[in-house]
Amino acid sequence: QVQLVESGGGVVQPGRSLRLSCAASGFTFSSYGMHWVRQAPGKGLEWVTVIWYDGSNKYYADSVKGRFTISRDNSKNTVYLQMNSLRAEDTAVYYCARDNLAAAISNLDFWGQGTLVTVSS
Amino acid sequence: DIQMTQSPSSLSASVGDRVTITCQASHDISIFLNWYQQKPGEAPKLLIYAASNLETGVPSRFSGSGSGTDFTFTISSLQPDDIATYYCQHYDNVPITFGQGTRLEIK
Repeated sequence: QVQLVESGGGVVQPGRSLRLSCAASGFTFSSYGMHWVRQAPGKGLEWVTVIWYDGSNKYYADSVKGRFTISRDNSKNTVYLQMNSLRAEDTAVYYCARDNLAAAISNLDFWGQGTLVTVSS
Repeated sequence: DIQMTQSPSSLSASVGDRVTITCQASHDISIFLNWYQQKPGEAPKLLIYAASNLETGVPSRFSGSGSGTDFTFTISSLQPDDIATYYCQHYDNVPITFGQGTRLEIK
């Protein structure tokens, strides 16, 4: 069965960096686009970024553009989120999610359980 | 960016009731709309894709309709297990955006 397992969350000071990982299993990882979506405590869902199946295209929310970088290693079935210059407003549970398509955006049909990032001094 | 406006933000209904949530897009998004269910402490789950298509394994009491800017999500007969927050999400272009959510409670 499809599984997505995020890791790498934790408490980090403002201005510092953190890298999240999402390990995929149960499907042909290299055939699907992958997203990161976040949810601040008690708030709604906010899309962060997407990467095409082969890494050829990446798109970002304005709120993270220039600070966050998505990447993937299809040999390791893993997608990453490098987060630099972190701010308090980046505090959230970060979910990775699979897109139903390889090189377009459609529906996010499988989600991980999320990893909590807390930005605080 | 396309804004998604959901209503109501919360609602309380009885078991067996018909429940309807609406989602309005700020621009025409054709049928590029999905609905998700998020139970407390859990990840979101896809229920409806492309406005009206039921995801595999999702009970048939859930349905969706609409196109353009106005969309509706319906639970035909509310069950206790349906307690959750529901979100619409467009995918017409980037950035994809979610509605603010509708928290559903049992009376």
